[in-house]
Amino acid sequence: NAGVMQNPRHLVRRRGQEARLRCSPMKGHSHVYWYRQLPEEGLKFMVYLQKENIIDESGMPKERFSAEFPKEGPSILRIQQVVRGDSAAYFCASSPPRDRGGEQYFGPGTRLTVT
Amino acid sequence: AQSVTQLDSQVPVFEEAPVELRCNYSSSVSVYLFWYVQYPNQGLQLLLKYLSGSTLVKGINGFEAEFNKSQTSFHLRKPSVHISDTAEYFCAVSDRGGAQKLVFGQGTRLTINP
Repeated sequence: NAGVMQNPRHLVRRRGQEARLRCSPMKGHSHVYWYRQLPEEGLKFMVYLQKENIIDESGMPKERFSAEFPKEGPSILRIQQVVRGDSAAYFCASSPPRDRGGEQYFGPGTRLTVT
Repeated sequence: AQSVTQLDSQVPVFEEAPVELRCNYSSSVSVYLFWYVQYPNQGLQLLLKYLSGSTLVKGINGFEAEFNKSQTSFHLRKPSVHISDTAEYFCAVSDRGGAQKLVFGQGTRLTINP
């Protein structure tokens, strides 16, 4: 059973460009979480999605950031008009549908660098 | 809302020495507690978790943690560390209902010296 997959692993964007980060959850997992790790900081929750639904986006910046988890395909975190402050590692985690209180399985992360 | 405080940002120890990484949390509701490890340029791997029951939890790689409700602590311990334990360690909590999103501490960098 493949783990959580994220791509690309490294992404370089110039200021003003768009960044698209992809996350494929583990097989059978229908819950996806996105976290951001800024340099020298811990991870901060961004958004929690289930298939075709955003459940909790309380950690998402109000502008330029969006997320989706379509019925088919990976979850996408989209950052429009990137700025230097968006440079960070973005981690996706997935969990199975009925595993209350259980583990979230993390992907290897996408390291975004904005130049 | 929950918050997590990891009291030490860096902990250097010698190989084969014991180590304790401290974690305190604050929450108005019951929580689940976790310790994750992050090796350089990698994602997070679960070391152990406390959901309910025995307050002493054993995890992978010889780590264990003890939940202390009165002190709202969940300290991580290992009796004898190895060079390969060098990594960043994160304590985290999640609420028992709702989104169960993880709230992380700032992390503790464990450095093992030969």
